Amino acid sequence: DTGVSQNPRHKITKRGQNVTFRCDPISEHNRLYWYRQTLGQGPEFLTYFQNEAQLEKSRLLSDRFSAERPKGSFSTLEIQRTEQGDSAMYLCASSLTSMNTEAFFGQGTRLTVV
Amino acid sequence: GQQLNQSPQSMFIQEGEDVSMNCTSSSIFNTWLWYKQEPGEGPVLLIALYKAGELTSNGRLTAQFGITRKDSFLNISASIPSDVGIYFCAGQLLNNAGNMLTFGGGTRLMVKP
Repeated sequence: DTGVSQNPRHKITKRGQNVTFRCDPISEHNRLYWYRQTLGQGPEFLTYFQNEAQLEKSRLLSDRFSAERPKGSFSTLEIQRTEQGDSAMYLCASSLTSMNTEAFFGQGTRLTVV
Repeated sequence: GQQLNQSPQSMFIQEGEDVSMNCTSSSIFNTWLWYKQEPGEGPVLLIALYKAGELTSNGRLTAQFGITRKDSFLNISASIPSDVGIYFCAGQLLNNAGNMLTFGGGTRLMVKP
């Protein structure tokens, strides 16, 4: 499978726990994006990487959220001290850097905080 | 967060009918994209539009990039049951900040066999 891969697909956690998600982009794509999607809404941008550099962060990304892409390949998104409002689908996408290239999404990680 | 205005929010149509949905924005975009999302899955790219006025087809799907660069529409002809899903428009502003996407709220399509 050469698409964007995310795991786990589902995560249920208790409020206050930390969680970490992983994204493996399409291999030749140097841009990687994280989006969050709540029920009934379109995805909202969280942050993006070009290679290993995190170049943009949305105001949605509170200080409890941290993302890394240490070698410019896979990325992790960690949420510390989870809250019920963090329950959402977390989507990863990747694209090439050049103009006119589309972003391809993974299947997402569905987080439920109880 | 900012979202594009997408309409209608939902449609319930008979198999074989044509469908039209659109997206408007107060901002100009360089690229418009249309995605389809099924339950529990990520969005899947359907069509990408790069030039104002561009009309592009992908099978039974046709999309246009509005001449003002602030709107786009998607048409589906002769709908079939597997067209069921949520369709999202997304605008992209190509700049050094990473080309992130701004999404509409989605159009939920239901097709009655």
